[in-house]
Amino acid sequence: AQSVSQHNHHVILSEAASLELGCNYSYGGTVNLFWYVQYPGQHLQLLLKYFSGDPLVKGIKGFEAEFIKSKFSFNLRKPSVQWSDTAEYFCAVFKAAGNKLTFGGGTRVLVKP
Amino acid sequence: DTAVSQTPKYLVTQMGNDKSIKCEQNLGHDTMYWYKQDSKKFLKIMFSYNNKELIINETVPNRFSPKSPDKAHLNLHINSLELGDSAVYFCASSQFLGDTQYFGPGTRLTVL
Repeated sequence: AQSVSQHNHHVILSEAASLELGCNYSYGGTVNLFWYVQYPGQHLQLLLKYFSGDPLVKGIKGFEAEFIKSKFSFNLRKPSVQWSDTAEYFCAVFKAAGNKLTFGGGTRVLVKP
Repeated sequence: DTAVSQTPKYLVTQMGNDKSIKCEQNLGHDTMYWYKQDSKKFLKIMFSYNNKELIINETVPNRFSPKSPDKAHLNLHINSLELGDSAVYFCASSQFLGDTQYFGPGTRLTVL
């Protein structure tokens, strides 16, 4: 069965701290990888995605993610967070064979001003 | 202009009732989806339609029946609502399977 794991359920940090959220998936083959963000009371929005090419992907709001195929990982990073980055972050993996997008359990990030 | 819209935003109803949630996208996408987000924020695919045809049905009870009258609409009808159906339901659309999905604002369903 497809599995997407986000290691941290809750992260609390101060403004200007660096953020890294882990994401691992459990199957090989070609995948499309996504990070979505859900701000309080809002719907999911795409932060960034990886389909192919340069494994270091830059997204909106200063976020980036690195695809490491050998580790089945797609970790999200931001060098310096802001209070407005407080949100729930979801990693998602699409495997063509299954024709569906599988989400990780989410990581709730709280940035203290 | 809202890309993916859902109605209603909130739905409070009694057990045993039948209710529908509507979804419309104006992005010209071929593929639409329904997801359920539980109280722990876990998101799970329920259905996927491509060009009005059902592609994915993720072991959802028969009480849930999606209907796609055209490519821009995917409605969700739920019969005999149960307490466990309480959740936020998100509609989404994408140009094709595997592409970026655009999500609606969600419908918070509360079954009393």
